[in-house]
Amino acid sequence: EAQVTQNPRYLITVTGKKLTVTCSQNMNHEYMSWYRQDPGLGLRQIYYSMNVEVTDKGDVPEGYKVSRKEKRNFPLILESPSPNQTSLYFCASSSRVASYNEQFFGPGTRLTVL
Amino acid sequence: GENVEQHPSTLSVQEGDSAVIKCTYSDSASNYFPWYKQELGKGPQLIIDIRSNVGEKKDQRIAVTLNKTAKHFSLHITETQPEDSAVYFCASISNFGNEKLTFGTGTRLTIIP
Repeated sequence: EAQVTQNPRYLITVTGKKLTVTCSQNMNHEYMSWYRQDPGLGLRQIYYSMNVEVTDKGDVPEGYKVSRKEKRNFPLILESPSPNQTSLYFCASSSRVASYNEQFFGPGTRLTVL
Repeated sequence: GENVEQHPSTLSVQEGDSAVIKCTYSDSASNYFPWYKQELGKGPQLIIDIRSNVGEKKDQRIAVTLNKTAKHFSLHITETQPEDSAVYFCASISNFGNEKLTFGTGTRLTIIP
């Protein structure tokens, strides 16, 4: 089944404790992206990657890191989480064979930083 | 950068009636406008999209209209059913090549049986 998977689905942590949210897709997509969803703000892009070893900042990159060492994986790293990073996070991927293709979203990771 | 405004934030309609959600965008270079549906506990899923060279697109009970002059686009759902209850997001892409979606703030649609 074609899908984007994220782990963990739920995470409660404390300020300053490094964490990684994994994202993997099995559709051989070149493009991957991370979004955060907050009430009243919609989905905002954190980072994106056009292909392996190519990453770039989105609208709200502060406090986050990403890497793209393999085509299928795009982990989101919070080196020193803070309470304002409490949010619902989504990973997404799409093919760039043709322009403006559908983005496929993972099921989301709900993060709480105490 | 691009700014997308979406209204209303919540919408309740009787089952069988129509629902309309409206979005405006700021970047006149935007040329792709998808709509995503997010069901409870799930990630958003594309339901329909429209490109700037088309004024209207339909897919069964769902339609999207685009007015490039006024820079607004709308989602129309007819004969609403309980399974249409969800959060709907409009979005736009303004820069060809980087695939960056700018989302609206979402509309929570509730279908009243």
